[in-house]
Amino acid sequence: RKEVEQDPGPFNVPEGATVAFNCTYSNSASQSFFWYRQDCRKEPKLLMSVYSSGNEDGRFTAQLNRASQYISLLIRDSKLSDSATYLCANMEYGNKLVFGAGTILRVKS
Amino acid sequence: DAGVTQSPTHLIKTRGQQVTLRCSPKSGHDTVSWYQQALGQGPQFIFQYYEEEERQRGNFPDRFSGHQFPNYSSELNVNALLLGDSALYLCASSAGTPTGELFFGEGSRLTVL
Repeated sequence: RKEVEQDPGPFNVPEGATVAFNCTYSNSASQSFFWYRQDCRKEPKLLMSVYSSGNEDGRFTAQLNRASQYISLLIRDSKLSDSATYLCANMEYGNKLVFGAGTILRVKS
Repeated sequence: DAGVTQSPTHLIKTRGQQVTLRCSPKSGHDTVSWYQQALGQGPQFIFQYYEEEERQRGNFPDRFSGHQFPNYSSELNVNALLLGDSALYLCASSAGTPTGELFFGEGSRLTVL
């Protein structure tokens, strides 16, 4: 079993739609979780950190469920510019990030 | 304030050759980590350097080695290149605390022919 698993993509959604991604992790000792956005052939950029039950930033909401060992990312009112690959990661002690394979989102007009 | 810078941005090598990639961390950061991202995959942790020593290592063969200099910059060396080493190599820096945020450079895209 992979340490971090994500929904297989791609997700093709119309503008304005709400889309949710799930990510499961196997290391129950993990304390910190992150969602990164990665544009084609670019570096990952931090989208949201998830340290407790969850947090919200504008159209983006991330939630953590420790009992079931998964985190989710909800994007409301999708924009064309949201098209990207979304990477889920958990941080192990010593700043080591363990990433999932990523989920591709395509928002279409 | 310059972020994490990497060089070269793109390079092409042939099997069996050796490659050196370079990274300068974000100002104020003393820890450098290297990741390999193959096409269609998430980044995979290679190793991490702190105080000029390898602090952690992922599941990569000894062909992958590194170095950190007194100014905190770092190099990643890969010997005896294989076709499967073709990937985006990402450098990330942090401030050295156990849960500090990582900042990624734009990466070095290596193609092995």
